[in-house]
Amino acid sequence: EAQVTQNPRYLITVTGKKLTVTCSQNMNHEYMSWYRQDPGLGLRQIYYSMNVEVTDKGDVPEGYKVSRKEKRNFPLILESPSPNQTSLYFCASSLSAGSRETQYFGPGTRLLVL
Amino acid sequence: AQTVTQSQPEMSVQEAETVTLSCTYDTSENNYYLFWYKQPPSRQMILVIRQEAYKQQNATENRFSVNFQKAAKSFSLKISDSQLGDTAMYFCALHNAGNMLTFGGGTRLMVKP
Repeated sequence: EAQVTQNPRYLITVTGKKLTVTCSQNMNHEYMSWYRQDPGLGLRQIYYSMNVEVTDKGDVPEGYKVSRKEKRNFPLILESPSPNQTSLYFCASSLSAGSRETQYFGPGTRLLVL
Repeated sequence: AQTVTQSQPEMSVQEAETVTLSCTYDTSENNYYLFWYKQPPSRQMILVIRQEAYKQQNATENRFSVNFQKAAKSFSLKISDSQLGDTAMYFCALHNAGNMLTFGGGTRLMVKP
């Protein structure tokens, strides 16, 4: 089944404790991205990647890191999480970069930083 | 910078009736796509419908249709014969050629029996 998976689905952590949220897709998609969703703000793009080893900042990259060493994986790293990073996070992928492509979303990861 | 605005934070509709969700946007580009995504309580993001900016004909997908007014930068979603399963958060989104996908703040739709 074609899908985007994220792990973990739920995470509670404390300020400053490094964490990684994994994202994997099995559709051989080139384009992958991360979003955070906050009430009233919709989804905001954190980082995106147009292909292996190519990543770019989105609207809200501060406090986040990403890497794209393999085509299927695009982990999101919070080196020193803070409470303002408490949010719902979505990973998405599409066949290629380009406005015509439909984005396929993962199920979301709910993060609480205490 | 591009922006997407959904001016209706919450809406409700009776089952079997029709409802229209509003969306306005701003972009300096001529080539872009517009999307409506549905987010049910499960939090999954589901594509409802998409519109290519260079196409004048409004997109339709079964009970879902859009009213795309390019000059006015308006992109509303009409849901006909509303069903209880349509209860969800709906997001309007703009994807430009520069690979940025921008979402509106969302409209929470409640379909009442």
